[in-house]
Amino acid sequence: ETGVTQTPRHLVMGMTNKKSLKCEQHLGHNAMYWYKQSAKKPLELMFVYNFKEQTENNSVPSRFSPECPNSSHLFLHLHTLQPEDSALYLCASSQGWGGRSSYEQYFGPGTRLTVT
Amino acid sequence: DAKTTQPPSMDCAEGRAANLPCNHSTISGNEYVYWYRQIHSQGPQYIIHGLKNNETNEMASLIITEDRKSSTLILPHATLRDTAVYYCIVRASIISGGGADGLTFGKGTHLIIQP
Repeated sequence: ETGVTQTPRHLVMGMTNKKSLKCEQHLGHNAMYWYKQSAKKPLELMFVYNFKEQTENNSVPSRFSPECPNSSHLFLHLHTLQPEDSALYLCASSQGWGGRSSYEQYFGPGTRLTVT
Repeated sequence: DAKTTQPPSMDCAEGRAANLPCNHSTISGNEYVYWYRQIHSQGPQYIIHGLKNNETNEMASLIITEDRKSSTLILPHATLRDTAVYYCIVRASIISGGGADGLTFGKGTHLIIQP
């Protein structure tokens, strides 16, 4: 248990569906992240939120829409996805506060997404 | 960010020390060395980080050479559960005012612990 939970753990969706991935952290952190891990590829950063504000969008297509209502929750809204979007989607959180590095990130178990 | 180079795979016998090397010859003075691992189909797990001094925690030890151009992660008594992909990442610290920044993962080293 890392203190970061993700739901659902597995998701199968059609290309015309709309679904959302949820992430919650119980660590009191102020920064949250979405990463994508496709088969046989390194993890790729998608979005960064710091104190609920989006600070980085790594050229992610608009069919992926993040939402961060507070520092403990992060969502990834999905619509009209493509089969190549099938991947493991990982959420992470970190403290990132003054005087300390923010790279001690704590990851959730991920959501395995399959787009049919 | 400085680039890192790691061997794609390594084997180690159970109970022995696993020594995972990482080269980061272009590292700059304010960049830390971080190690993460990812057990199959799970989220990455933070292991340890350091700047220039050697570091040790309950999981591992990190040895950084004096010129800081390379480092070694040591798992002192490897178990089968240590089989994972290990990532060495070099990043500058966010020192003041808070902030957040994503990690850039390479391909890492696939460490296989043999029974």
